[in-house]
Order: sequence, then C-alpha cells, then structure tokens
Amino acid sequence: QQQVKQSPQSLIVQKGGIPIINCAYENTAFDYFPWYQQFPGKGPALLIAIRPDVSEKKEGRFTISFNKSAKQFSLHIMDSQPGDSATYFCAARMSGGGADGLTFGKGTHLIIQP
Amino acid sequence: DAGVTQSPTHLIKTRGQQVTLRCSPKSGHDTVSWYQQALGQGPQFIFQYYEEEERQRGNFPDRFSGHQFPNYSSELNVNALLLGDSALYLCASSPVGAAGELFFGEGSRLTVL
Repeated sequence: QQQVKQSPQSLIVQKGGIPIINCAYENTAFDYFPWYQQFPGKGPALLIAIRPDVSEKKEGRFTISFNKSAKQFSLHIMDSQPGDSATYFCAARMSGGGADGLTFGKGTHLIIQP
Repeated sequence: DAGVTQSPTHLIKTRGQQVTLRCSPKSGHDTVSWYQQALGQGPQFIFQYYEEEERQRGNFPDRFSGHQFPNYSSELNVNALLLGDSALYLCASSPVGAAGELFFGEGSRLTVL
C-alpha cells in the first residue's frame, strides 16, 4: 500500500517558470518530510525537508509548503533552470527517532525547457 | 571527504544465485540503511543497521539479509535471486541523532537474468 502519493508523474516547464510537485499522505504518525533530487545514474540527494510544526520552509530557490490538516505538502522551484531537470521524490518518516526508513513517493520526472 | 561509496556499480546474476553488495558510509556516519529502487519507482526501505544490529526492517523477505561491521561499513546479501530482484540498490548513511538526514550512494545496479 502506497503511503505517500506524488503527482504529477511528469512535468515540463519553461525556464524561469515555477514547477510545483504535490504529495499527500495518510499516516498521521509521519513527522519528517524531505524532498530528494535524483539525476540519471546518481543516488538521490536531499534538497530540503520540513516538519509538521511549520507551514513553509524556504532554502534558496526551493520552497516546501505544508498543510497538516489536509495531509499534503508540495515543492515549489522558483526561477527554474534547465539544470533543475531531474526526478524529484517526496518522502515521509514515522516519528520515533529515525529507526524507521523513509517512505518515498513514486517520483516526478521534471524537464525544464530552455 | 568521501561520500557514501558502493560496490560493485553494476552486476549481472542468474535466477537462484546469491549476491553481496557493499557500502562504506560517509565519514562520521554510523547508521546505514539499504533501499531498493525499481526502474521508474521511488526507493523502498529494506533495513537499517546501527551498532552492528538491524534496527528496523521494511517489507522484504528473509532472502534479504545484511551485516554491519565495526568500521560502520555494511553488506547487503540477497539469496535465491528472482527476476523481480532486478533493481538499483542504494545504500544511505546518516549521522548519530539525525537518522532522517540520509546521504545516498550512487547505487549498485543488479540485473537478474
């Protein structure tokens, strides 16, 4: 059973646009929500993460918006560049110290056109 | 500072064989997790090792086993390989007290024929 649902599956945006990737979860025991970026042939790299006690977190051009009541969170990429073209994964982790693994969404293949 | 290193990068096995994958964590990290990433999917948690013991396990059969050594490096073993075991196997390490902050290696691509 997929516990983190990610959409869209793929996304094409013009350079300078703001791609938005959405994730929804069911389990209210999740307490940590990271986003990972993966380039072909590479492992995922942590981009930005948020906890449920804040509604927004910004790091550089990347912003996470978090809606605890709706159990949804999203990634916004400001001033997108062709170098941002990659697969993006949202994830969630259960509370309790980190022994549990991350539950990942299925990923969004993002293409930024020049 | 070397990141997470994995070996081998690619390997091909046949059904029924056994495979061992290796991982060295990032310097200063003592917790190692293993994930399986099928083509076009997100990574799936296999298990996590800390202080040479398996702390937590995902929904994987006993054919998947692991080990952590005193130097924090780790091995993933898969027995009786099935075609469906073909995937990218990712190792991730994390520092003490920040087990959610995973640093991934580039993975070992396993093909089962």
